[in-house]
Amino acid sequence: DIQMTQSPSSLSASVGDRVTITCRASQGISNYLAWFQQKPGKAPKSLIYAASSLQSGVPSKFSGSGSGTDFTLTISSLQPEDFATYYCQQYNSYPPTFGPGTKVDIK
Amino acid sequence: EVQLVESGGGLVQPGGSLRLSCAASGFTFSSYWMSWVRQAPGKGLEWVANIKQDGSEKYYVDSVKGRFTISRDNAKNSLYLQMNSLRAEDTAVYYCARIVTTEDYWGQGTLVTVSS
Repeated sequence: DIQMTQSPSSLSASVGDRVTITCRASQGISNYLAWFQQKPGKAPKSLIYAASSLQSGVPSKFSGSGSGTDFTLTISSLQPEDFATYYCQQYNSYPPTFGPGTKVDIK
Repeated sequence: EVQLVESGGGLVQPGGSLRLSCAASGFTFSSYWMSWVRQAPGKGLEWVANIKQDGSEKYYVDSVKGRFTISRDNAKNSLYLQMNSLRAEDTAVYYCARIVTTEDYWGQGTLVTVSS
């Protein structure tokens, strides 16, 4: 199975900050990577697919990049509604695997 | 409006069985792969299984192979997860999900607790 790691595991940031989360795959996955946002008590929601394509309706402050094994999710200007846990997921091969998550909370 | 509503969760003893259901509405159920994803309390997300539109292909995470069975009834717009030989580590919120590259829909989740 492909193992996904994320860093940092958590971060504290202020409204307006630029935030970057890193995801690494244990082997090359091309660009078969998605990013999900999950708020407490809620189901996850997809933000980005194919490493850098924004899902419909997702604000452009979210962006993704990377290919192969190394990927990033950037939030350009953090807003109160962005405080959540973010997961990367590879869908290059079965089983689809998620990273352990990065919790973004308020400084 | 796409809706996915899970049911069937609850408390079960180790070694027991449970059948989860997911009622789908607002889209042509028979046209989509469907998935189960779970989340242990305070933990991350784990993909469990998925099933092709006609049920002819099914995939499972290794930890549930031989114990869980995913199925669907397109006439009833329903997805199922039969869970046998349950273990404490199966305790989680189980989400029914329709996930394709360009969009995703999730249910609200149903909690399965495996404990004596």
